[in-house]
Amino acid sequence: QVQLQESGPGLVKPSETLSLTCTVSGGSISSYYWSWIRQPAGKGLEWIGRIYTSGSTNYNPSLKSRVTMSVDTSKNQFSLKLSSVTAADTAVYYCARGFSRWFDPWGQGTLVTVSS
Amino acid sequence: DIQMTQSPSSLSASVGDRVTITCQASQDISNYLNWYQQKPGKAPKLLIYDASNLETGVPSRFSGSGSGTDFTFTISSLQPEDIATYYCQQYDNLPRSGYTFGQGTKLEIK
Repeated sequence: QVQLQESGPGLVKPSETLSLTCTVSGGSISSYYWSWIRQPAGKGLEWIGRIYTSGSTNYNPSLKSRVTMSVDTSKNQFSLKLSSVTAADTAVYYCARGFSRWFDPWGQGTLVTVSS
Repeated sequence: DIQMTQSPSSLSASVGDRVTITCQASQDISNYLNWYQQKPGKAPKLLIYDASNLETGVPSRFSGSGSGTDFTFTISSLQPEDIATYYCQQYDNLPRSGYTFGQGTKLEIK
């Protein structure tokens, strides 16, 4: 079955750019929406944005000015860049497949801490 | 933007109890409402999609109902392994709200 795995630096300095990659295994990345979702410690879930395998994107309006997503179908990967990060961006970041109007499956998540 | 109000924020119940969690949308979302279970240190897991459809492999003690603005998630007989935080999630056609989650309900054993 399809599995997702996030990767990237666990520590990012304030004002810099957070970069994460999600690798999809067990199936093709094609013909699906792929999303990033984050969760600060002890808090709820926030959808960041999604990308279709054509490269078309939609972002959460609250983060839109800082978010860029891309996809590499040859590597079965998609990526997230979040610029000008602050401590408020510290969270566990999940990648997930957008299956119709819900998310399934999810990656295991990766903790990104913003600190100098 | 569509807002989701989930209640209660926490809940304590005994094994075998019937447990109910509600989620209210700020406007009509048809049946575009999903429920997830998140255990500590783990990613959320889809349980119910489109308000009332049980995801494959999910035990039948879990169920969902509702449409429009008011939705209910029920565990018919609470089991120890059901201890988790539960989230509702709605979808509003992009480029409007997109995906929004409820605040979560932390379920504990009494």
